[in-house]
Amino acid sequence: DAGVTQSPTHLIKTRGQQVTLRCSPKSGHDTVSWYQQALGQGPQFIFQYYEEEERQRGNFPDRFSGHQFPNYSSELNVNALLLGDSALYLCASSTDRGFGTEAFFGQGTRLTVV
Amino acid sequence: QQQVKQSPQSLIVQKGGISIINCAYENTAFDYFPWYQQFPGKGPALLIAIRPDVSEKKEGRFTISFNKSAKQFSLHIMDSQPGDSATYFCAASLSPYGQNFVFGPGTRLSVLP
Repeated sequence: DAGVTQSPTHLIKTRGQQVTLRCSPKSGHDTVSWYQQALGQGPQFIFQYYEEEERQRGNFPDRFSGHQFPNYSSELNVNALLLGDSALYLCASSTDRGFGTEAFFGQGTRLTVV
Repeated sequence: QQQVKQSPQSLIVQKGGISIINCAYENTAFDYFPWYQQFPGKGPALLIAIRPDVSEKKEGRFTISFNKSAKQFSLHIMDSQPGDSATYFCAASLSPYGQNFVFGPGTRLSVLP
């Protein structure tokens, strides 16, 4: 089982640009959640996708958007990048099919905005 | 009300000792309390989790103690090893399925050989 895979692993962008991050969930999982982890802090919930729809959203501006594809993979898009968007972006996959199928995190994409 | 507090910020323990990390929450609707372990450059890995209907859960050297009335829970690492050196995050959620985990700020654990 490959687990949760994210790409790319590292990314450098210029302020004002747009970025797309990708996530493939763990086999058998149908739900993808995205988190932002600033350096030295705990992850913060951005949003969750299930059945190709955004199901829940955290306290992040509309510059952050996402998409889920029929194969359950997901993308996180950030527009008009700010220096403060520099962080580790984590994808977590899960499924609603009963207790014991908790959320598993990928290794993250390190985004640096310069 | 969504905040999860965690202490200490950092912890140094000798090999073989007991590491204890504490967390507190406000939202009584939280129904799932996981602990995650994170090594530098890696994503968080689920260590152990508990639901509020039990007061303690043990898996190997790791134990969660849960006090529902005090709205507190803690992680105990017995016989701490240098390989346990990592950052530990407590979290709380309304569901175990990755919906809106609220994470604590983390505890950096160093286990000295």
